[in-house]
Amino acid sequence: AQTVTQSQPEMSVQEAETVTLSCTYDTSESDYYLFWYKQPPSRQMILVIRQEAYKQQNATENRFSVNFQKAAKSFSLKISDSQLGDAAMYFCAYRSAYLDKIIFGKGTRLHILP
Amino acid sequence: DAGVTQSPTHLIKTRGQQVTLRCSPKSGHDTVSWYQQALGQGPQFIFQYYEEEERQRGNFPDRFSGHQFPNYSSELNVNALLLGDSALYLCASSLTHTPRYFGPGTRLLVL
Repeated sequence: AQTVTQSQPEMSVQEAETVTLSCTYDTSESDYYLFWYKQPPSRQMILVIRQEAYKQQNATENRFSVNFQKAAKSFSLKISDSQLGDAAMYFCAYRSAYLDKIIFGKGTRLHILP
Repeated sequence: DAGVTQSPTHLIKTRGQQVTLRCSPKSGHDTVSWYQQALGQGPQFIFQYYEEEERQRGNFPDRFSGHQFPNYSSELNVNALLLGDSALYLCASSLTHTPRYFGPGTRLLVL
């Protein structure tokens, strides 16, 4: 069975600095997708970034980028120029190419210090 | 565009009761997925509906059932509530397999 592990329950970063959130996953499949979701206090889950496993190039979305290491089964999220609005729970997630369900990690709570 | 909406926002029930949660997908979306998020945990997949049929199901007992209507809205029903069913229930809608938009959730408390 696939699993997603986020080893950092909480992190803090100074406003305007860069922070990296870690994620590892376990799967025997070769075709899958990885995601980072953001859940602010409003509880509404928002897709931040996605990565297709068959793509070697790391995905980027404005200030958000990932470091995808397929062999190591590692998928970290880098947030550059952190802003107060980035404060939230961040969930790493996995989806097989063959199934619809998404498997989430336990999340990392990110605090932005002014 | 209102995005994904869910009702009610909060709900309190007692053990053994039944509950129905509702979800309206984002305009133009035809697929609805339901997730259960226990306190301090990541969401867990309950099931997904497409074309009014359950397309896939997670590891949840038959007490959890659902329905999708012709207008793509969906209901999640939970029978014989247990204390452990207390959680945030999230609905997500999409046109593809990957839910991009989630609703704000329904917080269910079972006493």
